[in-house]
Amino acid sequence: SAVISQKPSRDICQRGTSLTIQCQVDSQVTMMFWYRQQPGQSLTLIATANQGSEATYESGFVIDKFPISRPNLTFSTLTVSNMSPEDSSIYLCSASRTQGYNEQFFGPGTRLTVL
Amino acid sequence: AQTVTQSQPEMSVQEAETVTLSCTYDTSESNYYLFWYKQPPSRQMILVIRQEAYKQQNATENRFSVNFQKAAKSFSLKISDSQLGDTAMYFCAFMTPNQGGKLIFGQGTELSVKP
Repeated sequence: SAVISQKPSRDICQRGTSLTIQCQVDSQVTMMFWYRQQPGQSLTLIATANQGSEATYESGFVIDKFPISRPNLTFSTLTVSNMSPEDSSIYLCSASRTQGYNEQFFGPGTRLTVL
Repeated sequence: AQTVTQSQPEMSVQEAETVTLSCTYDTSESNYYLFWYKQPPSRQMILVIRQEAYKQQNATENRFSVNFQKAAKSFSLKISDSQLGDTAMYFCAFMTPNQGGKLIFGQGTELSVKP
């Protein structure tokens, strides 16, 4: 298994500001992902964080709004830029040792409220 | 595009009884993976059970089992001897091996186990 931690666990931010969320895995993993879970909703993949290269974004998500870094095999950050109230969500980091039929381990999430 | 549908937003069951959560999916792929994830209140998402599409035998994990009907594109979760700790949001998820580990989630079913 893998243990994933996220910082901060929650935050309240003002419109127009940016927040960087950190995701730390206790062991090296191949794949890291960022999901958004809007209130009462399911999870939607924002992007795959690729180590040593640019993240791969899903349709509807762009790098300018959600820049992602992955400097090594255990750490990634997601920045939510120029926030609006519509960005209020839980942001979850997940990781998998390999592609495909492998368990994805999830972090506890970061609950973001934008005023 | 693949989609996952959970038609039961909420369910409840008495402790020690059996409950079945429904999930259907749509895909043109023949090789894929299916998962049930559990998200307890204010706690991390964890994997409950998984199934490879090419395996006809239904997966089981202790009190949790699935009924995988490939032709019907149905993947239901049966929880036997329900316990209070089973109270959680349950998400059905889908993955194909050629999509870089991306999980597609259903809308979720909120299960309450009552004493």
